[in-house]
Amino acid sequence: DVKVTQSSRYLVKRTGEKVFLECVQDMDHENMFWYRQDPGLGLRLIYFSYDVKMKEKGDIPEGYSVSREKKERFSLILESASTNQTSMYLCASSLFRSGVGFDEQYFGPGTRLTVT
Amino acid sequence: RKEVEQDPGPFNVPEGATVAFNCTYSNSASQSFFWYRQDCRKEPKLLMSVYSSGNEDGRFTAQLNRASQYISLLIRDSKLSDSATYLCVVNILGFKTIFGAGTRLFVKA
Repeated sequence: DVKVTQSSRYLVKRTGEKVFLECVQDMDHENMFWYRQDPGLGLRLIYFSYDVKMKEKGDIPEGYSVSREKKERFSLILESASTNQTSMYLCASSLFRSGVGFDEQYFGPGTRLTVT
Repeated sequence: RKEVEQDPGPFNVPEGATVAFNCTYSNSASQSFFWYRQDCRKEPKLLMSVYSSGNEDGRFTAQLNRASQYISLLIRDSKLSDSATYLCVVNILGFKTIFGAGTRLFVKA
């Protein structure tokens, strides 16, 4: 059974704090993603990684950084949390197939982050 | 204009009804397409891949119209358990994937 896990389901942080969100997958997927999901805006890609130590900016990378030191783990870092980063954060992983692009994405359960 | 657009709904239908959603995309370099389902407070899960010839899985049928740049999802004989948000996903040639904002469906008894 495929599994993507995220370190926390709910997190409350103060403005200016450094926040780490961790994601682990057990499917040996080379691609991993971080999204945020807000009402009416859907899932927006923050960063993705296609290999260890490799990363690419998504549509909304400002205020975020990522780290991928091991294939199974992808971390999202908020260097200095702000209230507009209050959101649901979803991690996903997938394979890549020629002619298809990213194949089925498997999501973690999400982390609901509140920044006060 | 958004690259992937969906009618947010909600669609309110009675049990047993047939309902259809469309999703339009603007990038002609789009190469593959998917429908995901997301239940309230849960993560998205793949419902169907959308092939150029269309595909069917039980009560669900997905179609692709490249000329008009849209994909569709048809649900027949709706069940209460079909109530969810349906997300359209488009892969652009290369390393780009875009999620639509989703269409909410409520199936009523």
